[in-house]
Amino acid sequence: KQEVTQIPAALSVPEGENLVLNCSFTDSAIYNLQWFRQDPGKGLTSLLLIQSSQREQTSGRLNASLDKSSGRSTLYIAASQPGDSATYLCAVQTSGSRLTFGEGTQLTVNP
Amino acid sequence: DGGITQSPKYLFRKEGQNVTLSCEQNLNHDAMYWYRQDPGQGLRLIYYSQIVNDFQKGDIAEGYSVSREKKESFPLTVTSAQKNPTAFYLCASSRPGRSTGEAFFGQGTRLTVV
Repeated sequence: KQEVTQIPAALSVPEGENLVLNCSFTDSAIYNLQWFRQDPGKGLTSLLLIQSSQREQTSGRLNASLDKSSGRSTLYIAASQPGDSATYLCAVQTSGSRLTFGEGTQLTVNP
Repeated sequence: DGGITQSPKYLFRKEGQNVTLSCEQNLNHDAMYWYRQDPGQGLRLIYYSQIVNDFQKGDIAEGYSVSREKKESFPLTVTSAQKNPTAFYLCASSRPGRSTGEAFFGQGTRLTVV
């Protein structure tokens, strides 16, 4: 059974800092990995999707990498802003379309 | 606008009642999902469907039922057999397969037992 772990569970940083969120998964037979953002009481917003054949994806200040063989992904946020405060979740898609989530990293960026 | 619509946003259920949560998408996606989220926790998969008239149990299917009669719709019924239904429910859809598969989510339904 696929298991996804995210470290750290919570992170508090001053504005302007660069930071890294980590995601690991136990079964490397994935189709893709996706990073999401969730604001309190809201649904999930897709940030980046990395296909299994890709190594990284970038969108603005966000960069996500994927090392499928070691079962790891990182989300790098450059020059963090208070508006980046949210919970960040990663999910992997495996055969049969199943999506498995980690428990998320709660990020607070202090002004 | 393309997207996923969940309704209602808030739902209250009395003990012993069945309630149905609606999820509609106009993204032409084949796969649809239902997740449950409890405070401070991640998402747990209840049911998912890859195509019309087919669905599979996720990790916590007991006390829930679904149907997939139309590609656009994947309603979730929370039955009286679900002992602790108070939670935030999220619906998602995606185009399954190796080449795509980006998942999109609705805004959620918060269910409370009164």
